[in-house]
Amino acid sequence: EPEVTQTPSHQVTQMGQEVILRCVPISNHLYFYWYRQILGQKVEFLVSFYNNEISEKSEIFDDQFSVERPDGSNFTLKIRSTKLEDSAMYFCASQGEVETQYFGPGTRLLVL
Amino acid sequence: AQKITQTQPGMFVQEKEAVTLDCTYDTSDPSYGLFWYKQPSSGEMIFLIYQGSYDQQNATEGRYSLNFQKARKSANLVISASQLGDSAMYFCAMREGYMRFGAGTRLTVKP
Repeated sequence: EPEVTQTPSHQVTQMGQEVILRCVPISNHLYFYWYRQILGQKVEFLVSFYNNEISEKSEIFDDQFSVERPDGSNFTLKIRSTKLEDSAMYFCASQGEVETQYFGPGTRLLVL
Repeated sequence: AQKITQTQPGMFVQEKEAVTLDCTYDTSDPSYGLFWYKQPSSGEMIFLIYQGSYDQQNATEGRYSLNFQKARKSANLVISASQLGDSAMYFCAMREGYMRFGAGTRLTVKP
């Protein structure tokens, strides 16, 4: 069964460093999303991506964040200068023609 | 703005019994989708079940069913014949574009 994959599974970084989180969505899906979940809290929407551009973003998704689909398969989230409060689980999700969004296993980011 | 409410931070159920996890929502959009996801301790988000706002029948997927009461704006998840592996966080979500999640309910199945 096709699934969304994410790498790395865990990342530890120093405050101020750039990180790139990678996702490979399900191959025939058209809509892509990033969410985050701070430990013990609810899952929060960051950004949605369709037709090679951002379709919607939340107030969390400020200028420090960017997304890209560089090669037609990978979907990346870049955080330019990480802050302590960026520590969270980051989920990529993809959606095809039907309503359901399928989530990847997540990347656990720890900013020290 | 839409809002999802899960009023049960934690629930316990005896193995093999049924349990209902509550979810209410608020939206002014006539077209929306309601979802339940399971998050075990390993952290991944597993899709369980979907209900469209125009669906006439309650959704079912194996041991999961969704008790959809549109007038009351509720979309409760019913898990029948609970198993130890059902112990996890359960999130209700609504989609109007992106997913908006509730705070979750931690379900513990007791042997």
